[in-house]
Amino acid sequence: AQRVTQPEKLLSVFKGAPVELKCNYSYSGSPELFWYVQYSRQRLQLLLRHISRESIKGFTADLNKGETSFHLKKPFAQEEDSAMYYCALVNYGGSQGNLIFGKGTKLSVKP
Amino acid sequence: KAGVTQTPRYLIKTRGQQVTLSCSPISGHRSVSWYQQTPGQGLQFLFEYFSETQRNKGNFPGRFSGRQFSNSRSEMNVSTLELGDSALYLCASSRTGATNYGYTFGSGTRLTVV
Repeated sequence: AQRVTQPEKLLSVFKGAPVELKCNYSYSGSPELFWYVQYSRQRLQLLLRHISRESIKGFTADLNKGETSFHLKKPFAQEEDSAMYYCALVNYGGSQGNLIFGKGTKLSVKP
Repeated sequence: KAGVTQTPRYLIKTRGQQVTLSCSPISGHRSVSWYQQTPGQGLQFLFEYFSETQRNKGNFPGRFSGRQFSNSRSEMNVSTLELGDSALYLCASSRTGATNYGYTFGSGTRLTVV
């Protein structure tokens, strides 16, 4: 079954430290993956798409098909990065699919 | 441009009642998806509508239903409410679906069933 696992509920780092938010997936086909972020009192919003291979707010994520992972990384964390982060996988149950979300990791960046 | 608008923001209902939630997508977006968010289960997919047709459905009982109008606005209905239906209900819109540019989410409707 298609599944997204984010093993850490909470990740706490100090400002300036590297951060890695883990995401593992289970999918039989070629996966399409996203990272979404929810800052305090704000809407859930798209952060990264794996197909675009972009860097947003200093974050990058690389798809590793061998390890079925799509970890989110940032070399130097900032306090404003504190938020809930969700990894999501497109599930092609329908013609365009729907998103399956992991349970999220709360990132706390301490000063 | 205006974002995804969900109304109402908060609702309190009694067990056994029914409720209707509304979602207005971004102009030009024809796909509307609904998700239930709870602390225990996280974000769970309810259903997706595209051009007034339900295109995709999650694993929820038949008490949960929805529809989409010709202007792409969508409504979600829950009948015979149970305490466990208390959750944040999120609506998300996109031009064509989950792929490519992903979803734009609304702020949600927080439903409390007492």
